[in-house]
Amino acid sequence: EAGVAQSPRYKIIEKRQSVAFWCNPISGHATLYWYQQILGQGPKLLIQFQNNGVVDDSQLPKDRFSAERLKGVDSTLKIQPAKLEDSAVYLCASSLGQGPDTQYFGPGTRLTVL
Amino acid sequence: SQQGEEDPQALSIQEGENATMNCSYKTSINNLQWYRQNSGRGLVHLILIRSNEREKHSGRLRVTLDTSKKSSSLLITASRAADTASYFCATGYGRKYIFGTGTRLKVLA
Repeated sequence: EAGVAQSPRYKIIEKRQSVAFWCNPISGHATLYWYQQILGQGPKLLIQFQNNGVVDDSQLPKDRFSAERLKGVDSTLKIQPAKLEDSAVYLCASSLGQGPDTQYFGPGTRLTVL
Repeated sequence: SQQGEEDPQALSIQEGENATMNCSYKTSINNLQWYRQNSGRGLVHLILIRSNEREKHSGRLRVTLDTSKKSSSLLITASRAADTASYFCATGYGRKYIFGTGTRLKVLA
């Protein structure tokens, strides 16, 4: 079974530029998560989708971050414009159902904002 | 913040020794999970314990949960160099999980 795929793996941009990350969850997984992990910290949930609906986006900085999940499968996370403090690893995860469930993580995208 | 906090922040032990790390949280949970993260990689699920369970085992891992103290512990027995990683607890509230700050474990060969 293929795992969660993410691309790109690394991205370096200048501040005020825009960037987009892509995630393909495990086939059949209803729930998809985007996390931001700053160096030395735990992952912080940015947004959680249940199929193509948003369950929780309370910690998503909506003035610059946006996310969508097309047809309840793939998802993209966009930052526009980027700030220095957005430098982090962006992790995508998916889980099978709605309740307490194992999350399967992708390898992450390491973003550096200069 | 509801975020769990792991203790200690960092732990260094010799190969073959046991490693214990703790997670404390603030509000009632449905379940708690432990994850491992090797340097520069994604997180890997280790074990899930539900709020009505007190102890679970998986290979060399033992997890306990004390809901009265709002804490959990992860014990890794007979540690190996390959266990070197960061370990995170994730507390489950309904359909939502909040990750703790992590314990960085280093196992010396």
